[in-house]
Amino acid sequence: AQSVTQLDSQVPVFEEAPVELRCNYSSSVSVYLFWYVQYPNQGLQLLLKYLSGSTLVESINGFEAEFNKSQTSFHLRKPSVHISDTAEYFCAVMDTGFQKLVFGTGTRLLVSP
Amino acid sequence: KAGVTQTPRYLIKTRGQQVTLSCSPISGHRSVSWYQQTPGQGLQFLFEYFSETQRNKGNFPGRFSGRQFSNSRSEMNVSTLELGDSALYLCASSLMRGGGDTQYFGPGTRLTVL
Repeated sequence: AQSVTQLDSQVPVFEEAPVELRCNYSSSVSVYLFWYVQYPNQGLQLLLKYLSGSTLVESINGFEAEFNKSQTSFHLRKPSVHISDTAEYFCAVMDTGFQKLVFGTGTRLLVSP
Repeated sequence: KAGVTQTPRYLIKTRGQQVTLSCSPISGHRSVSWYQQTPGQGLQFLFEYFSETQRNKGNFPGRFSGRQFSNSRSEMNVSTLELGDSALYLCASSLMRGGGDTQYFGPGTRLTVL
């Protein structure tokens, strides 16, 4: 069964600093990879996803993630964070041909001034 | 387009009761999935419906059930509620199934079992 590991439960960072949230998944078979963000008392919003092709994917709000098949990783990065990026971030994997998302335990990003 | 809507947003029930949660997908979306979110277990897949048929089921007891109607709206039911069923229940819809189609999430229904 698929599993996703997010090693950092919480990442504190100062505003305008760079950040990396780490994500590793268990299987090397063909998968789709996702990053979702959850603000307090809200549902999940898709940040970005990797389906195929270029291993670097970007979101409209400055986040990017790189698919690394050999290391089974899909780390999320942002060169300069804002206070408004404070939220919980979930990495998820989906086996191709299925519609089930398997989520990591989440990383709480805390941005302070 | 309106997003995924879930009703009610909050529910308080007592042990032994049953509850029904409702989800209206984005217009035109045919796949609806349900997830349970708790502080201890995180986000866990419950089941997925497509064309009124359950296509996939997570590792939950039979007390958890669901259905999908011809207009793609979905309901999930939990019978004989237990304290551990307290959670945020999230519904997600996607246009199709497979192919990495994006799942769009609703705001959730927060269920508290006393």
